[in-house]
Parts: sequence; structure tokens; C-alpha cells
Amino acid sequence: AQSVTQLDSQVPVFEEAPVELRCNYSSSVSVYLFWYVQYPNQGLQLLLKYLSGSTLVKGINGFEAEFNKSQTSFHLRKPSVHISDTAEYFCAVSGLGTYKYIFGTGTRLKVLA
Amino acid sequence: NAGVTQTPKFQVLKTGQSMTLQCAQDMNHNSMYWYRQDPGMGLRLIYYSASEGTTDKGEVPNGYNVSRLNKREFSLRLESAAPSQTSVYFCASSERDYGYTFGSGTRLTVV
Repeated sequence: AQSVTQLDSQVPVFEEAPVELRCNYSSSVSVYLFWYVQYPNQGLQLLLKYLSGSTLVKGINGFEAEFNKSQTSFHLRKPSVHISDTAEYFCAVSGLGTYKYIFGTGTRLKVLA
Repeated sequence: NAGVTQTPKFQVLKTGQSMTLQCAQDMNHNSMYWYRQDPGMGLRLIYYSASEGTTDKGEVPNGYNVSRLNKREFSLRLESAAPSQTSVYFCASSERDYGYTFGSGTRLTVV
């Protein structure tokens, strides 16, 4: 079985500052990892995913994440945030060959002017 | 380019009433899912269908039933609604490990 922990429920950050949203996972098998973004009153949209290969994954809207197997982490980063990045971000994990994703509890990113 | 379509978008039910949430996808995906989202709890899997003709329980299946009507459609039924089922419900579909595509959600209130 897999589990996901998002360590911060809320992250306030000033516009144009860098941000890191943390995600740790637990699994007894190899995993796929995902980050999703949810804007207010909308569904979830895929930001980026790690399936295999390079541990640094680039996604949409300037976000990137690094898979660290030894730390069992998949932290999301952006070097300079915009007001429009204000949203809730979810980390998700699935075991290889399974269909189910396990989601973290989410991190609310609030970008301040 | 509809993706995943959920109906209705909003619903208010009285305790004990029944209803069916509809979901349809036009991407020819094999797998479909129903999640519920509650504050501070993230998304929890209710039921999923790995392929047409199969359904399986997720993390929180009690009080729900599902039907995979065909490859496109996957419905979620509440037989006797309870206030604890007040939530936002999301349907999603996927093809292998390419990531989920989500619908825009159904906001359900049970009074």
C-alpha cells in the first residue's frame, strides 16, 4: 500500500518569491508520482508527473519537481510565483501496475501582493 | 474537447433520498474513478473501474454503489443519503499511467 504526506497545509508567499511545497510518500513498491493543482471551484488539473527516467520533472506554469528515492520525497518548486498561482496543490502516488492514486491532504498556496 | 463531464453540478438532498451522479468521458480511457473531497482530508477514492465491465471498492465505499454502463459512462448512486455524504464528488478517467483527467465536480449537500 502507498501513502502520501503533504507537510504544510498552508503556505503564504510574496509575489515573485520562490516556493517549495513538500511531499513525502511511503510505498513498498516502485511508484509513479504526480502533482495536481485545483483552482477555486474547479476540478484538479495535472501539473506534472514522474514515471521514470530523469528525477527532475518539469511541468506546466513554470513548476518543477524532483524525485528523491532515498528521501522518499517529491517536492514541488517554482522560482518565482505569481498571484495567479494561488490555489490548492495535491501530491499523489500510485504503485506500478495499479490503477489507484492515493492523494495527499493538499497544500493551499496563497501568493501575496 | 469536453474531457470528463459530470452532472449535476450542484444538488441538495434530504436525508434518506436517493440520487445518481453521472459521469461521461470522451477520451476513450479504460479506467474511471469516483472520489470525494472533504476539507482537510484531500481526495478519497470511493469506487473505481479499471476497465469496462469491472468495478472495485476504494477507500470509502460504504453508502455508495456504482455502475460502469459502458466504456464512456460511470455513475455513482447514493441509495439513502446521509449528512455525512455532504461533499464534493469528482469523477476522473485515465489511460494507463498518463495521469487522471478530472471532471469539474458535483457539490452535494444532504440536509
